[in-house]
Amino acid sequence: SQKIEQNSEALNIQEGKTATLTCNYTNYSPAYLQWYRQDPGRGPVFLLLIRENEKEKRKERLKVTFDTTLKQSLFHITASQPADSATYLCALETSGSARQLTFGSGTQLTVLP
Amino acid sequence: EAGVVQSPRYKIIEKKQPVAFWCNPISGHNTLYWYRQNLGQGPELLIRYENEEAVDDSQLPKDRFSAERLKGVDSTLKIQPAELGDSAVYLCASSTLAGGSHEQFFGPGTRLTVL
Repeated sequence: SQKIEQNSEALNIQEGKTATLTCNYTNYSPAYLQWYRQDPGRGPVFLLLIRENEKEKRKERLKVTFDTTLKQSLFHITASQPADSATYLCALETSGSARQLTFGSGTQLTVLP
Repeated sequence: EAGVVQSPRYKIIEKKQPVAFWCNPISGHNTLYWYRQNLGQGPELLIRYENEEAVDDSQLPKDRFSAERLKGVDSTLKIQPAELGDSAVYLCASSTLAGGSHEQFFGPGTRLTVL
């Protein structure tokens, strides 16, 4: 069966360190993988998209990698700040699904001052 | 630019009662989605509209859920009758194909509590 797994536990890191979040999937062949941020009481907000033929994507302090052989994406936040504390969701989009996303359950990140 | 608007933000009802949620997408966005998000889980798609046509409603429990998007703009999601297990956050999102965008824009959601 199809499955998307993110870090199973909440992640706590010290301010200034790099946070690394994991998204693993099985029985999918995603054409695109997206990362969203969700704050309590709010809807998810788009952060980054990476295509199946891309290995890495960067945006300011954010970096996403995509390994279709390992079926894994890693999401990095460098020089983390307490304001980065939120839940981060990965979402897969397959080529035949026309912009339809399947979300993982998310990883709750807390950056400690 | 205004974002996706949803109302109400919160709704508390007793089981077996009906409930409706309203969504106004970003202007010009042809695609509208309704998701359900349970506590500690990611959003799960219920239905997707392209303009006024429902192109994917395979995950919508059709015995009690219904949705409409008249004139291809605003949308309403209805549950009748509600069950305890329907307690969740209902999110509306919209997107556009312009510029090859894949980003979905989400509203703040409606938190439904069924007692």
